[in-house]
Amino acid sequence: GESVGLHLPTLSVQEGDNSIINCAYSNSASDYFIWYKQESGKGPQFIIDIRSNMDKRQGQRVTVLLNKTVKHLSLQIAATQPGDSAVYFCAEKSGYNKLIFGAGTRLAVHP
Amino acid sequence: GAVVSQHPSRVICKSGTSVKIECRSLDFQATTMFWYRQFPKKSLMLMATSNEGSKATYEQGVEKDKFLINHASLTLSTLTVTSAHPEDSSFYICSAPGTGAIEKLFFGSGTQLSVL
Repeated sequence: GESVGLHLPTLSVQEGDNSIINCAYSNSASDYFIWYKQESGKGPQFIIDIRSNMDKRQGQRVTVLLNKTVKHLSLQIAATQPGDSAVYFCAEKSGYNKLIFGAGTRLAVHP
Repeated sequence: GAVVSQHPSRVICKSGTSVKIECRSLDFQATTMFWYRQFPKKSLMLMATSNEGSKATYEQGVEKDKFLINHASLTLSTLTVTSAHPEDSSFYICSAPGTGAIEKLFFGSGTQLSVL
């Protein structure tokens, strides 16, 4: 069946460093992926997305990389700030209009 | 941007009672809404797809009679947890596609349900 998983459950970084959060997916037919940020007690917030016809997309301080050969997705956060501390989820479009979420990675930013 | 409002944000109830959670799209219409459940330190698990004017589509393993979904208007979907038990305690989140497509999915702020 379809699944989206993450390599690291927790990531600790120093403020100012770059963060890399990884995600593996199993459905090679997936054509759309999203990264979400979730703070405690809140709903997910959209960060960045990427379609399968791209291998890289950049936003403000964030970059998503897609490697379809190994079915791997990553989120890079530049100059990580304390406000970036949260749980990050990758999500994969399934079928016409559903999203399947990965397990999540907690990012802890230390001063 | 589009906003999805979810209410209540937190509810505590006694075992055996029913709890209704509302999800509203505030500035757009949503023929489809999605209900997720999230356990502590776990991912979001899709429970069901709410369809305006028709029956909801439930994911495998989700009890239809336990989790009643009603989507009576283009801006409101409700999830009712019937005869709640402690194992139903969880964080419930709704979402709606802003343009009708999953690429513009907006999430509510979630409802923390605690069943005593």
